[in-house]
Amino acid sequence: EAEVAQSPRYKITEKSQAVAFWCDPISGHATLYWYRQILGQGPELLVQFQDESVVDDSQLPKDRFSAERLKGVDSTLKIQPAELGDSAMYLCASSRVVDTEAFFGQGTRLTVV
Amino acid sequence: AQSVTQLGSHVSVSEGALVLLRCNYSSSVPPYLFWYVQYPNQGLQLLLKYTTGATLVKGINGFEAEFKKSETSFHLTKPSAHMSDAAEYFCAVSEGGSQGNLIFGKGTKLSVKP
Repeated sequence: EAEVAQSPRYKITEKSQAVAFWCDPISGHATLYWYRQILGQGPELLVQFQDESVVDDSQLPKDRFSAERLKGVDSTLKIQPAELGDSAMYLCASSRVVDTEAFFGQGTRLTVV
Repeated sequence: AQSVTQLGSHVSVSEGALVLLRCNYSSSVPPYLFWYVQYPNQGLQLLLKYTTGATLVKGINGFEAEFKKSETSFHLTKPSAHMSDAAEYFCAVSEGGSQGNLIFGKGTKLSVKP
């Protein structure tokens, strides 16, 4: 069964360091989403891609966060510099097109110390 | 603006009892509505969704939900709880036909007592 792959599963980083997360969507899925889930909260959308183009990044803190999907397949989310408040689960999801079901990966648990 | 309110951050039921998780939404246009389940340190799994058509929606693992426009509600039910249902449940809403650009509630943690 096809899955959304994310790595690493867990990441511990020091405050002010750079950190990156990787997502490989289900093959053929044109739409890709990055969500942040703070402990005890629901996920919040950070960025949505349609192929290689950003469709919605209105909730992305652009002073420190960046996201790319250069070839319209896998994607990287970067934080530089990391802050203590960035500790959260980062979830990637993909869908075949925007109006079909989105499938979530297992997430990357980030701890900033 | 869209929003989702889940009443009760923690619900506890006995095994075999009815499960009822409450979700109310606000939306300026006909919404798409979703319920997801999340197990510890895992991603989200779709339980069921309402997009158009029949307002009573059946999902996986014996769950169902009913879209009630007049009450702006989409409550999740299961007739008989199983120990394996213990998890966190999230209600979500979207507008404009997207099934991935979602506004989530804060979640309800379901505990099942033997």
